[in-house]
Amino acid sequence: AQSVTQLGSHLSVSEGALVLLRCNYSSSVPPYLFWYVQYPNQGLQLLLKYTTGATLVKGINGFEAEFKKSETSFHLTKPSAHMSDAAEYFCAVTLDRGSTLGRLYFGRGTQLTVWP
Amino acid sequence: EPEVTQTPSHQVTQMGQEVILRCVPISNHLYFYWYRQILGQKVEFLVSFYNNEISEKSEIFDDQFSVERPDGSNFTLKIRSTKLEDSAMYFCASSEWGLPSGEQYFGPGTRLTVT
Repeated sequence: AQSVTQLGSHLSVSEGALVLLRCNYSSSVPPYLFWYVQYPNQGLQLLLKYTTGATLVKGINGFEAEFKKSETSFHLTKPSAHMSDAAEYFCAVTLDRGSTLGRLYFGRGTQLTVWP
Repeated sequence: EPEVTQTPSHQVTQMGQEVILRCVPISNHLYFYWYRQILGQKVEFLVSFYNNEISEKSEIFDDQFSVERPDGSNFTLKIRSTKLEDSAMYFCASSEWGLPSGEQYFGPGTRLTVT
């Protein structure tokens, strides 16, 4: 069965601090991996994705994530938090590389708070 | 920038009533999805739709649920007889391509409250 675990439902950091949002997945086959962000009253927006190739993926707004197969992880980082990063972050995976159908399995989400 | 829109933003209904949640996907997109998120729980896949038919559905998507693309622009989710446990945020998504290229664009959601 496919599952995604995000450690910590809430994370508070000060502006300028490192942001680290953790995501682990359980799958016998390396999945496609995604991070989405949701700002208040908006839809989920794709931050970045890993499908194949380079394991360090850069996304929008200065975020990046690294796929580590040995650790079944896809943690999201940003070196220096900004107030505008305050939002909810979702890790998601999809497993079936042979299918184009795109069913996503989501983690529970981590609410990021950035204080001045 | 094109976006997925959903109406209404909030729907309150009584148990046993039918509801239709509406979505307007991005115009050139071919793949359509519904997800839901019960308060405090994960976002869960309900159904995917491509080429005018359901491609995949989850165990949640039972006979009470149906989807339709009645015209070239709308994509609807109908719940035939709502239950208290259907209260959730429902997200519509669309993508131009399937995986791995296709990014799913999500709407802002419809909050459904069943009383």
